[in-house]
Amino acid sequence: GAGVSQSPRYKVAKRGQDVALRCDPISGHVSLFWYQQALGQGPEFLTYFQNEAQLDKSGLPSDRFFAERPEGSVSTLKIQRTQQEDSAVYLCASSPPKYQETQYFGPGTRLLVL
Amino acid sequence: SQQGEEDPQALSIQEGENATMNCSYKTSINNLQWYRQNSGRGLVHLILIRSNEREKHSGRLRVTLDTSKKSSSLLITASRAADTASYFCATDPNHSNYQLIWGAGTKLIIKP
Repeated sequence: GAGVSQSPRYKVAKRGQDVALRCDPISGHVSLFWYQQALGQGPEFLTYFQNEAQLDKSGLPSDRFFAERPEGSVSTLKIQRTQQEDSAVYLCASSPPKYQETQYFGPGTRLLVL
Repeated sequence: SQQGEEDPQALSIQEGENATMNCSYKTSINNLQWYRQNSGRGLVHLILIRSNEREKHSGRLRVTLDTSKKSSSLLITASRAADTASYFCATDPNHSNYQLIWGAGTKLIIKP
């Protein structure tokens, strides 16, 4: 079946521009996670949804970062007034209802802020 | 902040040799997982070991977990060129909602 998809795969933004990153999880997956991965580092947790409820947003680095999942499926991560330090790969992962420990990752969106 | 630390940071071996990577973590955990990341591809789950398990096998992969030392190792036997990737350990802390805490990874290169 189809895996987690993310779009766009690459995004170049000018500093100060707003960006929106989309994640389509695997159908039926209840949990959805966003991570930020800097070059040469492991992913860092940003936020977690269970269905449409955002249960944990402790990892969002500033109030410029906002995530939503209004219908409990597709999720959007929005970054307002992008800064150069926002440049990273943004990873989305989902996990099924029964085996929530294992997360299935999308290919990521590579964001470059100039 | 990152919980896990992988060791070594980079490893280069000949095809056919075994590769061993280590991971140390800081807090008590429900489970520890290993993932692989190829350039241009997403993270792929390899194996999960629970806190009450000491060793687990999956194909050419062998994972050990020592909760008293807060450490884990991943052994890949009979390495292949396709094993070239970065390998990450991720822990599921007891207090989390399945939030995974990641190390910085080991970059493995298999030379033909």
